[in-house]
Amino acid sequence: GENVEQHPSTLSVQEGDSAVIKCTYSDSASNYFPWYKQELGKGPQLIIDIRSNVGEKKDQRIAVTLNKTAKHFSLHITETQPEDSAVYFCAASRAGNQFYFGTGTSLTVIP
Amino acid sequence: DADVTQTPRNRITKTGKRIMLECSQTKGHDRMYWYRQDPGLGLRLIYYSFDVKDINKGEISDGYSVSRQAQAKFSLSLESAIPNQTALYFCATSDPGQGTGELFFGEGSRLTVL
Repeated sequence: GENVEQHPSTLSVQEGDSAVIKCTYSDSASNYFPWYKQELGKGPQLIIDIRSNVGEKKDQRIAVTLNKTAKHFSLHITETQPEDSAVYFCAASRAGNQFYFGTGTSLTVIP
Repeated sequence: DADVTQTPRNRITKTGKRIMLECSQTKGHDRMYWYRQDPGLGLRLIYYSFDVKDINKGEISDGYSVSRQAQAKFSLSLESAIPNQTALYFCATSDPGQGTGELFFGEGSRLTVL
């Protein structure tokens, strides 16, 4: 089956700086890569996703890049704000069927 | 009201007891999932169901069973709870027909087995 590794497990940044979270996957057939944000006491929510036919996708301060050859994808958050503090999960899936999640990154944005 | 509702939100039980976690959804999605979250291990899939007559094991199904009572309801059972099943459990739904396959999660059920 698929194996998704995520780094780092914890990340602290100053408000206004950028944050980068990286994931690798093992199954070359995976073609859908979502990122979820989990705030304290809540379930994860999708913040951005990318499909294998695209190398980069951006939504305001959030961007995701995908390198299919190297089987890795990354989440980039620019101009971080305190409300960006949360746990972030990457995931990989074949056509939106089973989703395999990374182990999560706890991001703290220091005001 | 939440689109994906889990009950109970918190439960403390003893080893050997039978526990049921319930999930109901108003999103009209056919696909439903049960995940388990442990610190440092992320989210791991226990069972999933693509429609009322379809039940599939996930990565960590041992010690668990599920029932899909209707399109809107998917229950997770621990027949004889053990301490290492102490975790945060999430139900989720999805509808790939909408294009993204996005998972919609409930707010979680925290289970403690003593």
